[in-house]
This record gives sequence, C-alpha cells and structure tokens, in this order.
Amino acid sequence: DIQMTQSPSSLSASTGDRVTITCRASQGIGDDLGWYQQKPGKAPKRLIYAASNLQSGVSSRFSGRGSGTEFTLTINSLQPEDFATYYCLQYNTYPHTFGQGTSLEIK
Amino acid sequence: EVQLVQSGAEVKKPGESLKISCKGSGYSFTSYWIGWLRQMPGKGLELMGIIYPGDFDTKYTPSFEGQVTISADTIIKTAFLQWSSLKASDTAMYYCARLDGGIIAPIDYWGQGTLVTVSS
Repeated sequence: DIQMTQSPSSLSASTGDRVTITCRASQGIGDDLGWYQQKPGKAPKRLIYAASNLQSGVSSRFSGRGSGTEFTLTINSLQPEDFATYYCLQYNTYPHTFGQGTSLEIK
Repeated sequence: EVQLVQSGAEVKKPGESLKISCKGSGYSFTSYWIGWLRQMPGKGLELMGIIYPGDFDTKYTPSFEGQVTISADTIIKTAFLQWSSLKASDTAMYYCARLDGGIIAPIDYWGQGTLVTVSS
C-alpha cells in the first residue's frame, strides 16, 4: 500500500493567518491526491481533487499544489469555520490511503 | 442532488452479527464504485473495501479481508457492510462514500456515518 505521511499532526493558528499542511507519498502518485475537511461528528467534505482542483462551492481561500510525492494544502486568511481536521487521500493505487490527519486549532 | 443515506446507530454485543446500509439517490447507482470506510474513536480514516454495483465487483483492503462482507442490491440502490461476529474493536464510525469516476478516482460524496458500538 502507498503510505501517506501528513504533517504537522496538529497546528495552532489565529483567525486571519495563512497555514500550510503537507502530505508526502511513499511513491509517486502523479496528481491523484485529494484534500478533505472533517468537523467533529460530521462526515468529511472534499475540498480539493487532482492535487489542485478546487471543489465547486469551496472557498478560494483553499488551494492545493504538488505532484509526484509531495503535496500541500494552503488555507489563506483563516476563518472561524476553518478550524477542523484535514486529511489527504491518494487514489492513484488501490487501496486508497489517507494521511494521518492535521488538527487545526484556534490559538 | 447526489445523496448517500446510511442506516442508524447500532449497539451490539461481541459475537453478534450486523448489517448496515447505505442508500444512494440522485445518480446512476450502478455506474459508480461505493466504498466503506472506518473511523475508530479519535482516529483517522481507513478504506475497508469497495464495490461496483454495476457488476458487483468487490475489492477489500487486505487488513479487512475476511473480517467484513460488502454487498449491494441494485433494485433498492443500497450498499451493505456486514459482520458475522462483532468484536469490541469493531466499535467505530463507519462511512459509505462514492468514488467520483472509476476505481482510480477520489471520493466525492459521503454518507452521514453509522456509529457502531460493540460492548458486553
């Protein structure tokens, strides 16, 4: 299975800050990577697919970059509703595998 | 509107059997892979397996092979996840989700989750 290493595992930031989360794949996955946001007690929600494509309806404050083995999710101008847990997902090879998650907390 | 609606929370004893469901609507149920995912308390997401209702092709992630059974009924547009003998370690939230395209495709839509609690 492809291992996805996500960092940091937790992050404290303030409203208005810019943050970046990184995912590294154990082997090249092209751009077959998505980013998901999960709030407590809720199902995950897709933010980004194909590494950099913004899901319809998602704020443009979210952006994704990368290809191959290294990927980033950047959130600009953090808003209160952005404090959540974020996961990357590789879907290049079955089984699809997730990063361990990044818990974004209010400082 | 695409929707995946899962069955309600379950409380079971170790050794009991269980079958939970995920009903799809708003799209061609037989044309997309459906996956089942586990999220143990306070932990991350794991893909357990996927099924293609069009031909019932099913794939399991190795760590879940033999532990659960994934099936589907195209008449009622519903996918199922079942256990024959639950363990306390099966306590988790279970999500169904649709793959957006073929097997090499991201998840786009999620069910609301089914909480399974296994306790004596």
